[in-house]
Amino acid sequence: GAVVSQHPSWVICKSGTSVKIECRSLDFQATTMFWYRQFPKQSLMLMATSNEGSKATYEQGVEKDKFLINHASLTLSTLTVTSAHPEDSSFYICSARSFPVANTGELFFGEGSRLTVL
Amino acid sequence: SQKIEQNSEALNIQEGKTATLTCNYTNYSPAYLQWYRQDPGRGPVFLLLIRENEKEKRKERLKVTFDTTLKQSLFHITASQPADSATYLCALISGYALNFGKGTSLLVTP
Repeated sequence: GAVVSQHPSWVICKSGTSVKIECRSLDFQATTMFWYRQFPKQSLMLMATSNEGSKATYEQGVEKDKFLINHASLTLSTLTVTSAHPEDSSFYICSARSFPVANTGELFFGEGSRLTVL
Repeated sequence: SQKIEQNSEALNIQEGKTATLTCNYTNYSPAYLQWYRQDPGRGPVFLLLIRENEKEKRKERLKVTFDTTLKQSLFHITASQPADSATYLCALISGYALNFGKGTSLLVTP
């Protein structure tokens, strides 16, 4: 089955530093990847949609200069949280849709990355 | 505005019983609705998709119904087991993106 790998699974950093999270589709091509953020007991909130070879599309209220997204290949998208602050502490989850789109239209999710900013 | 509402209160049931979770939505005209399972600290895992022209969908012990008039989907787990304990998320497409409800936490006790 389709597997999405996310790394690192958890990271602790000091305020002001930048953190990069990688999302890889291991056995399928993902022309589109989605980045979500989830706070405790809250729903997954879509941050941005990442398209291979083009600029990401950010949701309203998400700062594109703070959350840099790169989707350089059909199997890799990265999210960089720049100048992280404690309020950026959250669970970041990537997901991908296989190409061609599966009949079920399902999304395959990574295991998530827990970011804690001190 | 678009909303996906799931019962935020945890559902506690005894092993062997049927668990029923509810998903209500407003301001969506979905062609299909999806259900995911999320365990603590993990990413969601796809369970089932039901299309607007389907009233009911089954997969092993899972059953999903979809009423586009009521704007509601029900998710049933029959013969529940402690291993079914998790948070279950309802999801709907809006444009190109998938939006999620907050999920309902299910606890199945032996």
